This record gives sequence, C-alpha cells and structure tokens, in this order.
Amino acid sequence: EVQLEESGGGLVQPGGSLRLSCVASGFTFSSYWMHWVRQVPGKGLVWVSRIEMYGSMTAYADSVKGRFTISRDNAKNTLYLQMSSLRVEDTAVYYCARGDSSTPGLWGQGTLVTVSS
Amino acid sequence: DIQMTQSPSSLSASVGDRVTITCRANQSISTYLNWFQQKPGKAPKVLIYGATNLASGFPSTFSGSGSGTEFTLTISNLQPEDFATYHCQQNHRTPLTFGQGTRLEI
Repeated sequence: EVQLEESGGGLVQPGGSLRLSCVASGFTFSSYWMHWVRQVPGKGLVWVSRIEMYGSMTAYADSVKGRFTISRDNAKNTLYLQMSSLRVEDTAVYYCARGDSSTPGLWGQGTLVTVSS
Repeated sequence: DIQMTQSPSSLSASVGDRVTITCRANQSISTYLNWFQQKPGKAPKVLIYGATNLASGFPSTFSGSGSGTEFTLTISNLQPEDFATYHCQQNHRTPLTFGQGTRLEI
C-alpha cells in the first residue's frame, strides 16, 4: 500500500525551529518529486516547497524562502522540511505529497504545527 | 505569482443536483489546472488534472472544462459522498497556487 506518514509537528514558540519528516512506503520514493503543502484548519491550501527526485532542484513559496529548507534522503525513503524563524502565521497542518514537478498527487495525512507563545 | 480565484466560496445543494464551480486565473495558464477534493479531516485527493482529465477512482459524474484563465468543475447527479471542499490549483509555474476552496454542502 502506498503511504506517506508525516511527523515532527507540535507547539513551538515564535522564532523557534522544527523539523518535519515524511516517511514513504509502498512505492519507489526516488522516482518522484515531493512537495510540502500547508493548510490552516478551515482555510485553503498553500504550497510551500518542492524537491526533485535526487534533491538537486528545489523551490519555495516566497513566504518561507530563506527560513525553510526542503531535503530528502532516498536511502531512508524520507522527506524533510527544516523550519526556522517560525512565525505565528506558519501555524498550519503540513502535508507531504508525492507527485511530478507541478502536481502534488498523493498526500499524507498531515502534521499540525502550532507557533505560539 | 499566479492568483487563483474560486467561486462561489460555498454552495448548498441537494442529492441529485448538478453544480458548477468556477476557478479563474489572473493570467493564462493554458490547461495547467488541477482540481482536488477534500473531505473533512482528510487529505486532498486529485480529482481532475490537465483541466479535463478525470483521475482514477472518481465517477464520470465529475467533469472539468476550460483553458486560459477560466475553468469549471461540474458535478452532476450529486451523491452524498460528493459533499466536500473542492480546490483548484494551477501547475503552470512556481509558486504553485491554489484557489481558496469551495465548500459544497447540503
């Protein structure tokens, strides 16, 4: 069964850091682009970042550029999102998704990040 | 950035109805448009890709149309399981952007 399982969310103070992980199973992880998308509960979806199959190409939303870093370890079938200088407005459910370069096609169930003092 | 605007933001309908949701881009995106279905507490699923192509697992009561800047998602013969939130997404260029979502409710 194809699965994506996010972890690493939680409560963090403004200015703090957090690393999200997404473990993939049931498919060849290294064959897919991977994305992070976030959603404030009850609100719309916001694309955060993407990474190509071998990690050499990445892209970010302007709102997180310079603060978030996407990476992957194909040997561990794991996608990461290192988040630093967190702001209250970064509070959201963060989803990882596999896909191609422009479509997050299959999503995990998400992990909640709350930035609050 | 390409801005995506969906209308309406919410829609009430009944089982058996036919409904249409519109998504507009502020510049031409050809047919680089996806639709997602999201049920409460669940992750989104790709419903339509390339503006008109139905993803596997969804019935033919769902259809997508449009190109350029205006797109529609039509759901005919609404079923109870179709009541969800629908999001459009442009995949023409980064940053990838979504509409604000349309909540379809009874």
